[in-house]
Amino acid sequence: GIQVEQSPPDLILQEGANSTLRCNFSDSVNNLQWFHQNPWGQLINLFYIPSGTKQNGRLSATTVATERYSLLYISSSQTTDSGVYFCAVRNTGFQKLVFGTGTRLLVSP
Amino acid sequence: DSGVTQTPKHLITATGQRVTLRCSPRSGDLSVYWYQQSLDQGLQFLIQYYNGEERAKGNILERFSAQQFPDLHSELNLSSLELGDSALYFCASSAGSVQYFGPGTRLTVT
Repeated sequence: GIQVEQSPPDLILQEGANSTLRCNFSDSVNNLQWFHQNPWGQLINLFYIPSGTKQNGRLSATTVATERYSLLYISSSQTTDSGVYFCAVRNTGFQKLVFGTGTRLLVSP
Repeated sequence: DSGVTQTPKHLITATGQRVTLRCSPRSGDLSVYWYQQSLDQGLQFLIQYYNGEERAKGNILERFSAQQFPDLHSELNLSSLELGDSALYFCASSAGSVQYFGPGTRLTVT
């Protein structure tokens, strides 16, 4: 099946810093979603981005489908950005999302 | 708030018992998905229903079963529980490409 790798596995930032999270996938996809899992365990949709670039406030994402990777940018990080960020993809012809192992982000004041 | 609801939020039970987790999808969504998040396996797809019919199956154990009812809510039944079944169980729903996740049910088997 499709493999999804995320890097870095852990990231510690000072408040106000910028960061880039990466998601590599091993096959062509027709769906890619980024999620933030907050400390209470909730999975929050950040982006649906099978290709191209999107921005939402301090967050933006870019997917280059032909090269099989996606990037999530967090600018001017805040302590509330702490948590685990997951990339999840779906192969053409399949319904399930396959999740990466996540990037654990800690933003300190 | 994703619009997907799950009950209960927390469940503590003993080995060998049976539990039922409930999910109500977003209004109008016909597809419901169940995922399990455990420390050793990460987030894994269990099963999908579409308008009452099973559509796709993942690594779901034979001790687990699910169904989707005519009002589109879904239940995940876990039986003969083992310690290793302790996990966060998510339900998601979709009308198209984007899956929206509920808050999860945290199951602890003691």
